[in-house]
Amino acid sequence: DAKTTQPTSMDCAEGRAANLPCNHSTISGNEYVYWYRQIHSQGPQYIIHGLKNNETNEMASLIITEDRKSSTLILPHATLRDTAVYYCIVSDYKLSFGAGTTVTVRA
Amino acid sequence: EPEVTQTPSHQVTQMGQEVILRCVPISNHLYFYWYRQILGQKVEFLVSFYNNEISEKSEIFDDQFSVERPDGSNFTLKIRSTKLEDSAMYFCASSDPGTGDEKLFFGSGTQLSVL
Repeated sequence: DAKTTQPTSMDCAEGRAANLPCNHSTISGNEYVYWYRQIHSQGPQYIIHGLKNNETNEMASLIITEDRKSSTLILPHATLRDTAVYYCIVSDYKLSFGAGTTVTVRA
Repeated sequence: EPEVTQTPSHQVTQMGQEVILRCVPISNHLYFYWYRQILGQKVEFLVSFYNNEISEKSEIFDDQFSVERPDGSNFTLKIRSTKLEDSAMYFCASSDPGTGDEKLFFGSGTQLSVL
């Protein structure tokens, strides 16, 4: 039972912002929104997480809608090294990975 | 930056043999996890471990699997009698319960090939 819906794939241009959407309409009040990514076959890498408020760190920004039913991960200046599978996960205690969005950054 | 380390990076074994996958979590972390990813498929949760006992396990984690924290630094996954379908990349992860969230740090994985 998928808790999140993400596009299967998307392309973006190097140096431009990449906006990755995620729908999580059944999110409950105590569940966080997490974003991880997996570059090739490496271990998943934590990017950012949030509960209600928008968040920003050195890697990305997370925008969560007021009703918390969707969110957007923003990579401000995509580089070729950002090519990866990006996972949006909602969780209160255990991470369950879906299929994610395959993001390809093109020069 | 502290990281989770896993050894070996590749493990080849014969069907029916026992394998032990090893992990050194980040030193101040107290929650430990094993995930696996069969080639081309999703990352799947296997087990979580806290305070020297399993806190949760998935349906995949049957009697053939066991985990152990034999000392203060290592965390191991044992598969008693490997099957062909156990071939996968196995990821260890750890987290700090003091942060109150599921910010997991993953290792680079052990590629297990069962022949």
